Amino acid sequence: GAGVSQSPSNKVTEKGKDVELRCDPISGHTALYWYRQRLGQGLEFLIYFQGNSAPDKSGLPSDRFSAERTGESVSTLTIQRTQQEDSAVYLCASSARTSAYTQYFGPGTRLTVL
Amino acid sequence: GESVGLHLPTLSVQEGDNSIINCAYSNSASDYFIWYKQESGKGPQFIIDIRSNMDKRQGQRVTVLLNKTVKHLSLQIAATQPGDSAVYFCAEKSRVGSNYKLTFGKGTLLTVNP
Repeated sequence: GAGVSQSPSNKVTEKGKDVELRCDPISGHTALYWYRQRLGQGLEFLIYFQGNSAPDKSGLPSDRFSAERTGESVSTLTIQRTQQEDSAVYLCASSARTSAYTQYFGPGTRLTVL
Repeated sequence: GESVGLHLPTLSVQEGDNSIINCAYSNSASDYFIWYKQESGKGPQFIIDIRSNMDKRQGQRVTVLLNKTVKHLSLQIAATQPGDSAVYFCAEKSRVGSNYKLTFGKGTLLTVNP
């Protein structure tokens, strides 16, 4: 079946520009997560959506980062006024209510800020 | 071995040998742990999980051991194959306020030599 998909797969932008990254979770998965992974590093939690509950934004590194999710579908991560330190792979994951901690990851979006 | 806060460790093994990847976790209240495998250019993939009421769980060619006394988790891969070459992450479920989240370690790079 279809897994988590993300787009674009690669994004190159200039410093100061805004970018939007998209995540399509597995159908029926109520939870959606965004992570950031810098080169050679582990996963840094950014934000978590669970159904219609208020999202857990505790991992967002600055107010330049925001994310939205409509219902239990697509999510968009927006980074405003991008900086070079934002360069990383942004990973999205989703999980089902019945197995909330088994997260299925998308392939990621590689963001490069010049 | 791996621990949150350490640089990415590496493990190099010969094809056919057994591999042991270690992980130290910090939260004694964590009650669920997962191992993920991340191949180059891909998102992490679920390998195996274990709950804190267990000491050992076996999958296909993989075994996870949990030692709650010393807060240590290990992943054993039997008869390691070149396709096992990847970064392996452990993750622990921890409570943050009224929510739960997975906290990932920084990963161990496993290289299998033919």
